[in-house]
Amino acid sequence: QKEVEQNSGPLSVPEGAIASLNCTYSDRGSQSFFWYRQYSGKSPELIMSIYSNGDKEDGRFTAQLNKASQYVSLLIRDSQPSDSATYLCAPLSWGKLQFGAGTQVVVTP
Amino acid sequence: DAGVIQSPRHEVTEMGQEVTLRCKPISGHDYLFWYRQTMMRGLELLIYFNNNVPIDDSGMPEDRFSAKMPNASFSTLKIQPSEPRDSAVYFCASSFSLAGTSTDTQYFGPGTRLTVL
Repeated sequence: QKEVEQNSGPLSVPEGAIASLNCTYSDRGSQSFFWYRQYSGKSPELIMSIYSNGDKEDGRFTAQLNKASQYVSLLIRDSQPSDSATYLCAPLSWGKLQFGAGTQVVVTP
Repeated sequence: DAGVIQSPRHEVTEMGQEVTLRCKPISGHDYLFWYRQTMMRGLELLIYFNNNVPIDDSGMPEDRFSAKMPNASFSTLKIQPSEPRDSAVYFCASSFSLAGTSTDTQYFGPGTRLTVL
């Protein structure tokens, strides 16, 4: 069992629609959770961080965390072509980020 | 701030040669991380430092890999001898803390694309 599971995609989303990305993790000791966006050939960049159960909104992005279910998600509202990228889920556990394989999102005009 | 700086951006070398990758973290960040990214294995942590001291090197693949951080503003990752399977993108990242707060955020450098022929 992988420590961090994400659907690899690609997730095809029409422009203007909502993209929903899911992530499950195995380490119950994880305290901090991060979503990174990575464009092809570029380095990961932070999109959202979340530390407590519930929702956290930042612009068009909403992160949701449920520690009891070991589940974290990211919603992208009003998806734009510039959102086409790979999204990496990364729980922080014992000082180390455990990256998932990432979900590729393709926003179609 | 200039962000995390890595050099070189691209490195092509032949099998058996020594390769040295360099990283300058964001000023004031106490934690420095080295990652490797490949299609097969994704993004994996190799080693991280706190205040220039290596804390966890369990991700270092084998003795051919070594990393140092002689001061707060400079770190190296060395591969000697290099092998074709070492071909990957190597990222350096830094963070202010690992306290379970927003200061945990790791900021990544642009990466070094290593090709070993």
